[in-house]
Amino acid sequence: DTGVSQDPRHKITKRGQNVTFRCDPISEHNRLYWYRQTLGQGPEFLTYFQNEAQLEKSRLLSDRFSAERPKGSFSTLEIQRTEQGDSAMYLCASRVVRGLNYGYTFGSGTRLTVV
Amino acid sequence: DQQVKQNSPSLSVQEGRISILNCDYTNSMFDYFLWYKKYPAEGPTFLISISSIKDKNEDGRFTVFLNKSAKHLSLHIVPSQPGDSAVYFCAASLTGTASKLTFGTGTRLQVTL
Repeated sequence: DTGVSQDPRHKITKRGQNVTFRCDPISEHNRLYWYRQTLGQGPEFLTYFQNEAQLEKSRLLSDRFSAERPKGSFSTLEIQRTEQGDSAMYLCASRVVRGLNYGYTFGSGTRLTVV
Repeated sequence: DQQVKQNSPSLSVQEGRISILNCDYTNSMFDYFLWYKKYPAEGPTFLISISSIKDKNEDGRFTVFLNKSAKHLSLHIVPSQPGDSAVYFCAASLTGTASKLTFGTGTRLQVTL
C-alpha cells in the first residue's frame, strides 16, 4: 500500500494556459474523488468515479474542467484556459466501497498557482 | 451556504490537557460524521468517525460526541500531545450520496509544552 499519489506537487502557470494533474489511487480502491481546497476553507467536492465511470460532478466544476479515469486506475484532472480563481490545492482521494467506513485516503495534493 | 461550520479558527492547549474541537451542521439529513487531521503540505488524514445512530465513539485518545438535537459534534483529545498540532476538519456525509463529504473550514490546534 503506497497510498494515494498526486503529481505534480506544485504547478505555477500563466493565466489562459491548460494544466493537467494526475492521481494514482490505492490499487484496490474502486472509488476516486477530486476535491479542491482554497485558503481558509475546507476541501470542496468536485467529482467522483466508480471504477472508470464518472458518476457525479459538482456545479463547481465548470466546463473548463474535465476529469477522466481510463481503465478505472489513475485519474487526470485538466483545467483549460486557467483563471486566477483556479488557484487552489487540488486533492485526490480514494476508497474501497465496503460497509459504512467513509474514511477516504487522501493524497498530498497538487497546489496550483495561476499568475 | 456553509452546511458544516467550525467557528473557532484556532485553539491553543497545553500538553497533557484536554483539547475540545467543535463543529456545527445545518443539514439534519447528514447521518455520518468524520474528523480529519491535516499537517502542512500533506493531505487530510482520517481520524475518527461516528454514525448518527450513536452519540459517542472512542478510539484511544480521541473521542467524538454527537448531539443530533443541537446539530453539534465535538472531538476530544486527551491527553493532548505536541504531535497533535495540526488543522482539524469536521466533515459530514449523507447515506446514498456516494460518500461525498461536506467539510467545515477547519480549526488549527496548537499544543504547547
